[in-house]
Amino acid sequence: GAGVSQSPSNKVTEKGKDVELRCDPISGHTALYWYRQSLGQGLEFLIYFQGNSAPDKSGLPSDRFSAERTGGSVSTLTIQRTQQEDSAVYLCASSSGRGEKNIQYFGAGTRLSVL
Amino acid sequence: RKEVEQDPGPFNVPEGATVAFNCTYSNSASQSFFWYRQDCRKEPKLLMSVYSSGNEDGRFTAQLNRASQYISLLIRDSKLSDSATYLCVVRLYSGYSTLTFGKGTMLLVSP
Repeated sequence: GAGVSQSPSNKVTEKGKDVELRCDPISGHTALYWYRQSLGQGLEFLIYFQGNSAPDKSGLPSDRFSAERTGGSVSTLTIQRTQQEDSAVYLCASSSGRGEKNIQYFGAGTRLSVL
Repeated sequence: RKEVEQDPGPFNVPEGATVAFNCTYSNSASQSFFWYRQDCRKEPKLLMSVYSSGNEDGRFTAQLNRASQYISLLIRDSKLSDSATYLCVVRLYSGYSTLTFGKGTMLLVSP
């Protein structure tokens, strides 16, 4: 596609349920990143993929959070047993992984509300 | 100390004004610097990269002071459409490393 695509755009769930968030990066981009932005806060790094591997998972806030990427393309972020503090906008970005500046392009995000 | 610090604002300016935002970063090994723009309830979008010698893109000028670990963004002749949150962004290494974002500075341009 022309840009990074994320789905769903909005997700409302009950506390304790599992959710899956999807990211479809720009075609040909090898690097994929997940961030979280809570209300009034800056972007918080969660996890980075290069191809299908995740060399940096340092930002995942707990073991309830996991992510995978298959075929070097689509990635899924899964949050198990959601808590109210998980409510945030989850943003995905991709980059070509090349060049000095290696610009990251963001999707529109998934707005997660945990009731 | 936060890794990337910005004044949250808001900066309220009239159309046509010149406004400047500053940002400091804590890691002296940081190598790449950017300004992103984020409109309300939208994703961040790259405004401009920041080069060591300073660079300009139309009404926007970015400066980097490595010695002071300080980045600035100057907007001349502000437009209503410039109203947004401006995010100062730093990357530790070139290539694959992740970005560290400031919390952003909100700009409101009024008629």
